[in-house]
Order: sequence, then structure tokens, then C-alpha cells
Amino acid sequence: NAGVTQTPKFQVLKTGQSMTLQCAQDMNHNSMYWYRQDPGMGLRLIYYSASEGTTDKGEVPNGYNVSRLNKREFSLRLESAAPSQTSVYFCASSEMAGSFQPQHFGDGTRLSIL
Amino acid sequence: DAKTTQPTSMDCAEGRAANLPCNHSTISGNEYVYWYRQIHSQGPQYIIHGLKNNETNEMASLIITEDRKSSTLILPHATLRDTAVYYCIVRRSGNTPLVFGKGTRLSVIA
Repeated sequence: NAGVTQTPKFQVLKTGQSMTLQCAQDMNHNSMYWYRQDPGMGLRLIYYSASEGTTDKGEVPNGYNVSRLNKREFSLRLESAAPSQTSVYFCASSEMAGSFQPQHFGDGTRLSIL
Repeated sequence: DAKTTQPTSMDCAEGRAANLPCNHSTISGNEYVYWYRQIHSQGPQYIIHGLKNNETNEMASLIITEDRKSSTLILPHATLRDTAVYYCIVRRSGNTPLVFGKGTRLSVIA
């Protein structure tokens, strides 16, 4: 079972370049999330999509845009990368219905911006 | 969602039980307690959750105090592979996003 797949796994960018991080899940989940994790820190929510066709800002949305392409895919775009966006990015997904919805995470994209 | 307080780090001898505490004194009646862990360089992994009753699964046990203001995650026989950062998270039922703090870094020592 693939679960949540993120591509690429590693990327180096120059300041000002743009890039899209891809995320796909095969669990038929309705909700998807993007987090970033900086060294020694917990995860911080960037954006999430509660269901196909909707997106909402999280704790740290500035400098990012997202697209919920379809139920399976949720992409994160950096329009003009800055060194402060050097981080590890995690995508997650969860079911929508029910009172308990564990999130399932991908293995992350390690992004360095020079 | 209620905030949580966890110790920064803990050590545990291999084969012994690891007891990880979490304080969530402002928890409200409809908020669940979730535990995740993150092994180095990997994405977070769900462990267990509970509302007010104690819970057990193949990975761990969750003990929630009667007043629900604190909880303890128990790994009954810790192994070296359990070395990770453990996150205690409180959130409402439904589809609200998880809010991660800094967690507890558990080191299992041979």
C-alpha cells in the first residue's frame, strides 16, 4: 500500500525560483494537509483541504499557494522561493466522516533554498 | 483546541515500559487526545487516541485521568526502534487539523 506519496523527496532551489510540491493519496480520503517542519520544531500547518474543491489557510500560509487538483492530489506551490522556506514539507490525508480521523503522513520533501 | 504540555526529553531502558506524560488541563468535553510519533527523517505516525476511557492497541496503551486533564502514553516493552519524538495532541472531533507542539524526545537505551 502506497498511502501518501510525495514528490520530489529532495530539492535545492535558488532564491526567487518557483516550484510545486506534489502529494497524492490512494486511500480515498477526503481531507488533505500540508505541514512544514523546521529543525527542532514541531509541525506547523500551512494549508489544508477539508474536501475536494475547498482549501483553507493554516498557521503559516504566507508565501505558499495550494491546489486540490482532484480527490487524490493536493499540491503546494512556492511562487518565489525564499531562504526562510528551507524546511521539510509533509503532506497528510484523512477521512472526513466520523468522529475519529487519524491523519496519515507521507515521508516528506526536503527543500533547501539558497 | 486545548494546549498540551510535555517534557522535552526522556530516557528509557530497552525492554522496560516507557511512560510518556501529557498535561492538557484546558481540555473540553468534546476534545480527543491523540498521540503520534516521528522517527528520525520520517513522517509522523499515528499511535493511539482516546476520549475518556483508557485505550489499548498493538502499539501502546493510553491512560486518561478521570478529570481528563492529563494522560500517559505507555509503550509496554520499549525497543530501540521506539526512539522517536512523541506528540500529544488534543483536538475536537471532526475534521479539524492537528496542531503539533514540540513533543517529547524519547531515547531508548540498550
